[in-house]
Amino acid sequence: GQSLEQPSEVTAVEGAIVQINCTYQTSGFYGLSWYQQHDGGAPTFLSYNALDGLEETGRFSSFLSRSDSYGYLLLQELQMKDSASYFCAVRDRNSGYSTLTFGKGTMLLVSP
Amino acid sequence: DAGVTQSPTHLIKTRGQQVTLRCSPKSGHDTVSWYQQALGQGPQFIFQYYEEEERQRGNFPDRFSGHQFPNYSSELNVNALLLGDSALYLCASSLSGGTYEQYFGPGTRLTVT
Repeated sequence: GQSLEQPSEVTAVEGAIVQINCTYQTSGFYGLSWYQQHDGGAPTFLSYNALDGLEETGRFSSFLSRSDSYGYLLLQELQMKDSASYFCAVRDRNSGYSTLTFGKGTMLLVSP
Repeated sequence: DAGVTQSPTHLIKTRGQQVTLRCSPKSGHDTVSWYQQALGQGPQFIFQYYEEEERQRGNFPDRFSGHQFPNYSSELNVNALLLGDSALYLCASSLSGGTYEQYFGPGTRLTVT
């Protein structure tokens, strides 16, 4: 089966940089996605990595190492509105090409 | 351009009852996936519909069933409700061919008492 591990909670202050790690075990790996979910809201897509390396989108970056089954989401210049839960999710042969298996999420708390 | 919409927003049911949740996908999307999200957990895949057929199914019992209509909208039905079915039910739409980006609706909060 599949498993994803990510920290349950991370805290940081405004303006800081924070990294949320995700390790996964799966077969037939296609790619790793990151989603943001504010309390009670809909998950929103942040990024996707299919190949090794860093993908940058504004203040957010995501990294993937397929050989290490590891990825991370990097959030820079943190703002209060970044307080939310962040989920890594894999696409793999087990779950199907167009479905996602999510981790349990990391709650990010940004303080002034 | 309307995003993914779901109805109702909240629902309270009693154990043993049946419930139907509805989802309209983002304009132009033809694939609908349903997820169950328990409190403090990540979304868990229930099933996916494409061309009015169930294409993929997660580890959920047959009490969970669905349907997709010709206009791509979808329903999730849950029979014989259990207390453990209390959760946020999320609908996500995407394009066929397995794009990595899924667009989620705001969800339906189901409470079973």
